[in-house]
Amino acid sequence: EVVMTQSPATLSVSPGERATLSCRASQSVSRNLAWYQQKPGQAPRLLISGASTRATGIPARFSGSGSGTEFTLTISSLQSEDFAVYYCQQYNYWLSFGGGTKVEIK
Amino acid sequence: QVHLQESGPGLVRPSETLSLTCTVSGGSVSRGSDQWTWIRQTPGKGLEWIGYLYYSETTHYKPSLKSRVTISSDTSTNEFSLMVTSVTAADTAMYYCARTAFGVIREWGQGTMVTVSS
Repeated sequence: EVVMTQSPATLSVSPGERATLSCRASQSVSRNLAWYQQKPGQAPRLLISGASTRATGIPARFSGSGSGTEFTLTISSLQSEDFAVYYCQQYNYWLSFGGGTKVEIK
Repeated sequence: QVHLQESGPGLVRPSETLSLTCTVSGGSVSRGSDQWTWIRQTPGKGLEWIGYLYYSETTHYKPSLKSRVTISSDTSTNEFSLMVTSVTAADTAMYYCARTAFGVIREWGQGTMVTVSS
């Protein structure tokens, strides 16, 4: 199983600031990496696939980068609706998820 | 836009079988390009892929769950189902069905909570 590790577990950010979330894979997953956002009481929502391709309707302030084992999700200027939990997921070998990063209001 | 809705009992007794159904609208469970997927979420283990089905009959399961899990579909009702046998408290979770394309989870159901308890 490919183990996905996200850091930090919690990120405290003020509205309007930049947030940088990290995801590491235990072995190379090429660019087969997706990011999801989950708000309380809701299912996760796809943000990014292929490490850097935004899903339909996702604002440009969300960007993804990386390949191999190291990936980053950047939210350039946090809006109130962006405070949520973010998960990475690899799909190079079956599917597995990271433990999540909670982005909270500072 | 594909819409998915889970249904099934919210309470299952230990050692019994958990059975859930996902009703699909706006898509077809027989469409080969899509993988009809089950995922569960717990506070302790986070999000866990259980398995998926495609071409109505080809299945792949998480290796650690493979001995207890079956995913099947009914093309006449456009539904797919999950069965987990010999459940324990560790199977208590929010269960999601989803449409996956080439490994990317495009749409999710709203989820259904299943508790394993006597």
